[in-house]
Amino acid sequence: KAGVTQTPRYLIKTRGQQVTLSCSPISGHRSVSWYQQTPGQGLQFLFEYFSETQRNKGNFPGRFSGRQFSNSRSEMNVSTLELGDSALYLCASSLGGVRGQPQHFGDGTRLSIL
Amino acid sequence: AQSVSQHNHHVILSEAASLELGCNYSYGGTVNLFWYVQYPGQHLQLLLKYFSGDPLVKGIKGFEAEFIKSKFSFNLRKPSVQWSDTAEYFCAVIIGGSQGNLIFGKGTKLSVKP
Repeated sequence: KAGVTQTPRYLIKTRGQQVTLSCSPISGHRSVSWYQQTPGQGLQFLFEYFSETQRNKGNFPGRFSGRQFSNSRSEMNVSTLELGDSALYLCASSLGGVRGQPQHFGDGTRLSIL
Repeated sequence: AQSVSQHNHHVILSEAASLELGCNYSYGGTVNLFWYVQYPGQHLQLLLKYFSGDPLVKGIKGFEAEFIKSKFSFNLRKPSVQWSDTAEYFCAVIIGGSQGNLIFGKGTKLSVKP
């Protein structure tokens, strides 16, 4: 069974640009969550999508947005990039139908802002 | 705000030593608890989880964790570590009715000397 696939693996952008990251969940998983991992803040929850609807949202500014498609694939968009957005962005998927189902993580997209 | 605390930032052990990594969370209601591991160069993987029932949970690779509700703790243990256990360990919590929002601790780096 294929795992969670994130593309691209690495990305370099400059301040003010925008970026879109993609996540393909494990087949059959309907929940997709996004996390930001930095050395200072650790792993922080961005948002979760389930059946194309945002179900939970963390404490990030509106520059961070996402969506989920009917095949459960998800995209995350960050607009007006700032230096502090440099991080590893992780996507996780789970069955989602039952509370507390464990999440399966992808390898992440490493975003560097110059 | 709810939070997860991991007391040790970096633990260094020799092979065959016993391991206990501390994890405390701040939430008085129902929780689901997880330990994830990130081996060097790999993605986050689930070690074990607690949803309900027996508070002593067995995971993969000989790890176990004990949920002590009165102490809001979910410490990870292994009787005898191996060099291959060198990794970063993350405690995480899903609280209340939230389904896809994992709250992570800052992580503990474990280095096992051969």
